[in-house]
Amino acid sequence: DGGITQSPKYLFRKEGQNVTLSCEQNLNHDAMYWYRQDPGQGLRLIYYSQIVNDFQKGDIAEGYSVSREKKESFPLTVTSAQKNPTAFYLCASSISRREAEAFFGQGTRLTVV
Amino acid sequence: EDQVTQSPEALRLQEGESSSLNCSYTVSGLRGLFWYRQDPGKGPEFLFTLYSAGEEKEKERLKATLTKKESFLHITAPKPEDSATYLCAVRAGSARQLTFGSGTQLTVLP
Repeated sequence: DGGITQSPKYLFRKEGQNVTLSCEQNLNHDAMYWYRQDPGQGLRLIYYSQIVNDFQKGDIAEGYSVSREKKESFPLTVTSAQKNPTAFYLCASSISRREAEAFFGQGTRLTVV
Repeated sequence: EDQVTQSPEALRLQEGESSSLNCSYTVSGLRGLFWYRQDPGKGPEFLFTLYSAGEEKEKERLKATLTKKESFLHITAPKPEDSATYLCAVRAGSARQLTFGSGTQLTVLP
């Protein structure tokens, strides 16, 4: 089945540690995205990538990093510089220039203690 | 600054009780308004795209409409399985990114 897979579903980390969230898609989509969702707020774009080996900052990129070495994979690292990392993280993919019609993963809920 | 406001924040309906969700927006040059459904603990699922005032889209019990200032998601004779959070988002002007509202959490009681 085609789809987009995020792992793990739940993640706990100690304050000050970097953590990497996985996102893999087998939809053959060129574009991939990372969003953050906080209670009572809309989705906010962290990073996006339109093509392999290229990515752009979204509205809230500070404290995050990404890589896009393969078309299928777009991992997100939450660094210790991110001041409030506890959130629900969503990865999505789409055909080029069709961000609004993206397919989303199931999300990773990150809790930093 | 582009803004999207959804109301109400939460809505409880009895099965079969039709209602509407609102998405009002303030943007410079709307290039598209989008509706999504999000189930608890999952990612959003794309529902509709609307581009211009007067446009309507339908899918099963849902109908989305658009005016120059707002969009409505009408739910006709809802069922418990329609319970979810409904999100809207806009793309405006030369913006490359979407602006999302905070959603309406809909609960349909049997």
